[in-house]
Amino acid sequence: EPEVTQTPSHQVTQMGQEVILRCVPISNHLYFYWYRQILGQKVEFLVSFYNNEISEKSEIFDDQFSVERPDGSNFTLKIRSTKLEDSAMYFCASSAGTGYQPQHFGDGTRLSIL
Amino acid sequence: GIQVEQSPPDLILQEGANSTLRCNFSDSVNNLQWFHQNPWGQLINLFYIPSGTKQNGRLSATTVATERYSLLYISSSQTTDSGVYFCAASGAGSYQLTFGKGTKLSVIP
Repeated sequence: EPEVTQTPSHQVTQMGQEVILRCVPISNHLYFYWYRQILGQKVEFLVSFYNNEISEKSEIFDDQFSVERPDGSNFTLKIRSTKLEDSAMYFCASSAGTGYQPQHFGDGTRLSIL
Repeated sequence: GIQVEQSPPDLILQEGANSTLRCNFSDSVNNLQWFHQNPWGQLINLFYIPSGTKQNGRLSATTVATERYSLLYISSSQTTDSGVYFCAASGAGSYQLTFGKGTKLSVIP
């Protein structure tokens, strides 16, 4: 069964540094998402992406965050100047369509900010 | 946006017991999914079930969209069923999944 793959599985970064989290969605999917989960809390939506533009974003997704689909297979989340509170598990997801289509999640990248 | 509430927050079961987890949502949904988060943090997709009933082995789920709730049934629980179970839903006009706070299940031998 096709999977969403995320790299790296764990990233440790100094506060203030830029970090890029990478995702390869399922190949025929058109909609892409990023979610995050702070340790011990629920999963929160960050952003959705379709047709090379942001479809929807949450309050969390402020100016320090950006997303990009640099080629036909990768989908990235960049955090420009990391803060301690950015430490979390970040999940990428993709779906074949909106609405009546399930979202498929990757295994996550655990981001630790020191 | 849509609100998702799960109950109970914690559940301890003896191995072999059955359980029912509940998810209430505040509005009509076009997507509802159940996930199991394992001890390594992975989100395992259990069911995509905006309406109706589905079964997969010892697990089954039912969503009654008109009454705005979904139930996840676990039968003959095993220690490997331990973890956190999340319900997530999206409503009309929105792509984002809103997650509940989860039910933490502990199955003891």
